[in-house]
Amino acid sequence: QQQVKQSPQSLIVQKGGISIINCAYENTAFDYFPWYQQFPGKGPALLIAIRPDVSEKKEGRFTISFNKSAKQFSLHIMDSQPGDSATYFCAAKVELTGGGNKLTFGTGTQLKVEL
Amino acid sequence: EAQVTQNPRYLITVTGKKLTVTCSQNMNHEYMSWYRQDPGLGLRQIYYSMNVEVTDKGDVPEGYKVSRKEKRNFPLILESPSPNQTSLYFCASSKGGTGPNQPQHFGDGTRLSIL
Repeated sequence: QQQVKQSPQSLIVQKGGISIINCAYENTAFDYFPWYQQFPGKGPALLIAIRPDVSEKKEGRFTISFNKSAKQFSLHIMDSQPGDSATYFCAAKVELTGGGNKLTFGTGTQLKVEL
Repeated sequence: EAQVTQNPRYLITVTGKKLTVTCSQNMNHEYMSWYRQDPGLGLRQIYYSMNVEVTDKGDVPEGYKVSRKEKRNFPLILESPSPNQTSLYFCASSKGGTGPNQPQHFGDGTRLSIL
């Protein structure tokens, strides 16, 4: 079953607009929520991340909003640019019984920013 | 340059013919992981390793093997590949785990087609 649900699957935004990607989770043991950005032909790369004791984190044009009670978090890209066209993955980290930890990824959102 | 290197980048092979995808990192990272990326399913973890000689199953380990004899290398082995293992594979590494200050560094992927 998909532990982290991501939507939409694809998104087209005009240059200068706001891109919003949403994720929801059920497991309250998740304790760290990164977003990864992937360009065609490349592996994902960490974009921005948030801990659940914070409601918002902003880095440049990228903002994560986190709603702990609703178990939802979202990525907002302000003033979207064609160079932001990529696939975005949300993820959530959990500590494992027996030691170690792991990331569970969402299904990805393909963003296209048009001129 | 800090990097995760996967080989081969592309491979077309036939059912049942054993293959190995190599992964090497030059960052002295303890944690390494393999993921597969499929349309609509996102990134799913196959196996991970917390350190040398320590490996464990991820979410989709069936049909795969791994080994971690040296810190820098983490090969993925398909003993008897089947068509349902046709996918895009990513190796990732990080210092210690998947939490804050432990960003996953991904390779550029290996596209496997099994006929």
